[in-house]
Amino acid sequence: QSVLTQPPSASGTPGQRVTFSCSGGSSNIGRNIVNWYQQFPGTAPKLLIWRNTQRPSGVPDRFSGSKSGTSASLAISGLQSEDEADYYCSVWDDSQNGWVFGGGTKLTVL
Amino acid sequence: QVQLQESGPGLVKPAETLSLTCTVSGGSLNSYYWSWIRQPPGKGLEWIGYIYYSGNTDFNPSLKSRVTISVDTSKNQVSMSLSSVTAADTAIYYCARDLDGMDVWGQGTKVTVSS
Repeated sequence: QSVLTQPPSASGTPGQRVTFSCSGGSSNIGRNIVNWYQQFPGTAPKLLIWRNTQRPSGVPDRFSGSKSGTSASLAISGLQSEDEADYYCSVWDDSQNGWVFGGGTKLTVL
Repeated sequence: QVQLQESGPGLVKPAETLSLTCTVSGGSLNSYYWSWIRQPPGKGLEWIGYIYYSGNTDFNPSLKSRVTISVDTSKNQVSMSLSSVTAADTAIYYCARDLDGMDVWGQGTKVTVSS
């Protein structure tokens, strides 16, 4: 059972805007920064959103992150077929004194 | 640019110790944390623990009693060992550079626990 809750799946059509939620608590999202990772099958995860809202170099501005209270969101605008991947949220948890990950959301582009 | 490469045995027997090394090239270990993360087949990511270049460590509470992480700055390597392994430890193991988030990842190494 993950400390962070993510819906297991999401879908959208090309050009659409999709959002992913990540729900946590006061010991993690409520007080610390949230990161998002993108993972394609058979490859290592890639840092997609850093420190709640920042995009590492090379990440398109179609990807955006936000945080409010004990929840965080990842949005993809102008959805493309190559965005089909798994998306994980992650945050430092002060109770566990370590990084925790959500269970991941599998995005399907219809 | 910094690159990470995990190495170690792909098959470990139950009850034995799994030992992996992460070799960092194109950059220094200095001023960063270095995390180990694993991913069981078909499942999500689990943080194992990390080490600061100076040697300070923190571990996932669920694995703390079985995990050791060390750093060798002369070889630019970070090592992780996990003792008393069971089939539940079968996973892809990744090392990653950690600066408020894992921004550089190795390609991962698959470890199977089986007799």
